[in-house]
Amino acid sequence: KAGVTQTPRYLIKTRGQQVTLSCSPISGHRSVSWYQQTPGQGLQFLFEYFSETQRNKGNFPGRFSGRQFSNSRSEMNVSTLELGDSALYLCASSSLGYEQYFGPGTRLTVT
Amino acid sequence: DAKTTQPPSMDCAEGRAANLPCNHSTISGNEYVYWYRQIHSQGPQYIIHGLKNNETNEMASLIITEDRKSSTLILPHATLRDTAVYYCIVRGLYNFNKFYFGSGTKLNVKP
Repeated sequence: KAGVTQTPRYLIKTRGQQVTLSCSPISGHRSVSWYQQTPGQGLQFLFEYFSETQRNKGNFPGRFSGRQFSNSRSEMNVSTLELGDSALYLCASSSLGYEQYFGPGTRLTVT
Repeated sequence: DAKTTQPPSMDCAEGRAANLPCNHSTISGNEYVYWYRQIHSQGPQYIIHGLKNNETNEMASLIITEDRKSSTLILPHATLRDTAVYYCIVRGLYNFNKFYFGSGTKLNVKP
């Protein structure tokens, strides 16, 4: 099976802009979770989608949003980018009740 | 969700067993212990998980104490490629895919 894929792998944006990141889960996996990783805060949970519905949410401002499509692919959007949003954004997929498999991540740099 | 405590770093000689401890004293009866590792900003990689009994797979062994308040991940013959940050995670009872990663243990395998 192909693993979790994330696009783009690297992205540079300017403060105030918005960005959309994409995640394609492993075939058959219906749950997609998103995480943000920064040197200061470590790996932090953003949100989880299951069958096109947000099932869990972390403690992030409303500028961070996501959605999931009927084919389980997911996107996350960050609006009005801030310098502190520079991070590695990781996506993970899972079958219900089993371990999560992570993608390689998207490295976002905000200048 | 139960939190975990891990030493920030450990050293291990190549070829020797690496024993990584984790404290999860507030774990609930139905919560699983998961171990992941992350090699230099790649996506975290699943290693093993367990509930009560000791578990073993091709990568590692997981020893959980009888009171379930702590566990140890054992890499039987560490190689240089095992150098990574190892995360011990307690999987929430109701938030299955909302992982709290903590700071992890940086394992340095030395020749």
